[in-house]
Amino acid sequence: DQQVKQNSPSLSVQEGRISILNCDYTNSMFDYFLWYKKYPAEGPTFLISISSIKDKNEDGRFTVFLNKSAKHLSLHIVPSQPGDSAVYFCAASEYSGAGSYQLTFGKGTKLSVIP
Amino acid sequence: KAGVTQTPRYLIKTRGQQVTLSCSPISGHRSVSWYQQTPGQGLQFLFEYFSETQRNKGNFPGRFSGRQFSNSRSEMNVSTLELGDSALYLCASSFAGSDTQYFGPGTRLTVL
Repeated sequence: DQQVKQNSPSLSVQEGRISILNCDYTNSMFDYFLWYKKYPAEGPTFLISISSIKDKNEDGRFTVFLNKSAKHLSLHIVPSQPGDSAVYFCAASEYSGAGSYQLTFGKGTKLSVIP
Repeated sequence: KAGVTQTPRYLIKTRGQQVTLSCSPISGHRSVSWYQQTPGQGLQFLFEYFSETQRNKGNFPGRFSGRQFSNSRSEMNVSTLELGDSALYLCASSFAGSDTQYFGPGTRLTVL
């Protein structure tokens, strides 16, 4: 039972345009959400996060939107650059007791930015 | 500040053997989590250690174990390796009480 779903395995976007990556979740106990970027043969790199008390967080070209009622979040990249080509993972955090937070990941979306 | 480091980066083993992977967290991070990444399953949580104690455990068999040392460095061990254990094993560290985890480059394990 997948609690975090990224329904698009891949996405192609022209350089300079907007990339929109989507993520859906089912667990109402998730209260913090993160996006990671991963290049081949490297570990995931933290990109941006959002708390469940917010509906938007911006960091430069990256903006994450959270719709709690729809249990949906999205990552917008504007403008997209060829260096953004990577696999993007959505992750959701749940407090699991004793000061521990467990991350649950989606299966990733491969973004290709075409020059 | 140095990032999370993992050794070795690549490992080839045969079925039935055991393997130990090592992870050094970012300085000041006391929580270390381990994940298995396979093409079909994505990143799956193995376990988390804090102050030398396992605080959380994913749904993996007992062949997968770990430990953490007083300097926060962590090791994970897989005994009686199976072909299906071939994967990228990722270690992540975080400050105590933080949701945000920072990942190392991973150890690519191939079981023949």
